[in-house]
Amino acid sequence: EPEVTQTPSHQVTQMGQEVILRCVPISNHLYFYWYRQILGQKVEFLVSFYNNEISEKSEIFDDQFSVERPDGSNFTLKIRSTKLEDSAMYFCASSEQEAIRGYTFGSGTRLTVV
Amino acid sequence: DAKTTQPNSMESNEEEPVHLPCNHSTISGTDYIHWYRQLPSQGPEYVIHGLTSNVNNRMASLAIAEDRKSSTLILHRATLRDAAVYYCITLGSGTYKYIFGTGTRLKVLA
Repeated sequence: EPEVTQTPSHQVTQMGQEVILRCVPISNHLYFYWYRQILGQKVEFLVSFYNNEISEKSEIFDDQFSVERPDGSNFTLKIRSTKLEDSAMYFCASSEQEAIRGYTFGSGTRLTVV
Repeated sequence: DAKTTQPNSMESNEEEPVHLPCNHSTISGTDYIHWYRQLPSQGPEYVIHGLTSNVNNRMASLAIAEDRKSSTLILHRATLRDAAVYYCITLGSGTYKYIFGTGTRLKVLA
C-alpha cells in the first residue's frame, strides 16, 4: 500500500536553529498537509498546500514556518528559528482530493529543541 | 475546538466486537463523518468515512444515526493490534483541515 514517507524520524536541534522536515507524499496525490502533536496533547493542523500554494493555515503557522514543494516529489516544512515549544511530533499527510475522502499520514518526525 | 464528543476510554476483549460511539449534534447537512485511529508512536490512520448511509470497509463499519447527530464505529472482531486512540471528526465540504479531539483510547484485553 502506498505510504507517506517522512525523514528524519527524529531530529534534535538547538534553540534558534533552522530545521527542515521532509516528506515524500503519495505520488498521485495533489493535496499536502502538515500537522503536529505535542507530547500528550491533541493532533493540531498547521497548513494545507495545493497547486503550489498554501490553501489554509492555522494560527500556529506563523512567520517562523514555511512550506515548499521544491520538486515533484518532496514536501518540506521549515521552521526558521526553533523554540523549545516547537518540540513535537510533526506529521505530513497527503490526499488525492480535498480532505473529504480522507488522507494518508506519515509516521512523523519527532523534533526535539534543546 | 472539536465538534464531536467521544468517551475518553473503552475496553474490549480480544475477538469480540467493539462499538465506539461519537456524538456530533451540531453537524450540518453536508458535513462528512471521518474516523481515524492512532496507534502508539504512529501518525493517524484513516479508518472510514461516511455521509448519511452506513458504510463498510475491510477495517470497520460505520453506522450513522438517521438524524446524523451520532455515529458508531464498529470493529467486528477486536485484535490486540486494534489498541489505539480512535478519533471521530466531522468535515465540511471545501475544508482542508481536520480538527482532532482527544478521541477514545481503546484497550483490547487478551
